[in-house]
Amino acid sequence: GESVGLHLPTLSVQEGDNSIINCAYSNSASDYFIWYKQESGKGPQFIIDIRSNMDKRQGQRVTVLLNKTVKHLSLQIAATQPGDSAVYFCAENSDTDKLIFGTGTRLQVFP
Amino acid sequence: GAVVSQHPSWVICKSGTSVKIECRSLDFQATTMFWYRQFPKQSLMLMATSNEGSKATYEQGVEKDKFLINHASLTLSTLTVTSAHPEDSSFYICSARTRARRLHEQYFGPGTRLTVT
Repeated sequence: GESVGLHLPTLSVQEGDNSIINCAYSNSASDYFIWYKQESGKGPQFIIDIRSNMDKRQGQRVTVLLNKTVKHLSLQIAATQPGDSAVYFCAENSDTDKLIFGTGTRLQVFP
Repeated sequence: GAVVSQHPSWVICKSGTSVKIECRSLDFQATTMFWYRQFPKQSLMLMATSNEGSKATYEQGVEKDKFLINHASLTLSTLTVTSAHPEDSSFYICSARTRARRLHEQYFGPGTRLTVT
């Protein structure tokens, strides 16, 4: 079922530092894992995805790591900028082709 | 490409009234649309999945008679919250998927903030 959180964990980083946001997923049968960025009052914005047969994928300033052994997903953002401040959600594409979202992490970037 | 719009972006209605939210795919044909609800500081919860021309499939715990979903065309899905109550106040987000892309790719709308007074 869906993952619902009562509050959002927060990660505070200084501008220019690297950020690492973690996520645990639940379904071993999921074939894709996706990271979304959600700014306040807006819909989720696709960042990057990774297929279950991969363990790493890189994009522009972002890297996603997948550890299927422990069902763990992480998003690394290099040289974090103020515009990166948002809530980040991981999602897994379940075997029923639905997206199941994680609880989310708020990233705060301070100067 | 792959733009999804929602209308209205926010709405305030009185308890007991109904409100309709539209979700449109602007530059592609959406064979499947999804409706999510998001409470403050929480994650997105899938409410229902709708395929064009067929009845929506609702998630467990979502009342189909309260949240009416219509997906009459390949570019439009509507969610009607009937007899709204304050506990229905939430952020409603739709997403759309097309057969032309990978199955896990969903394009999200900007969301609709519903406040029931």
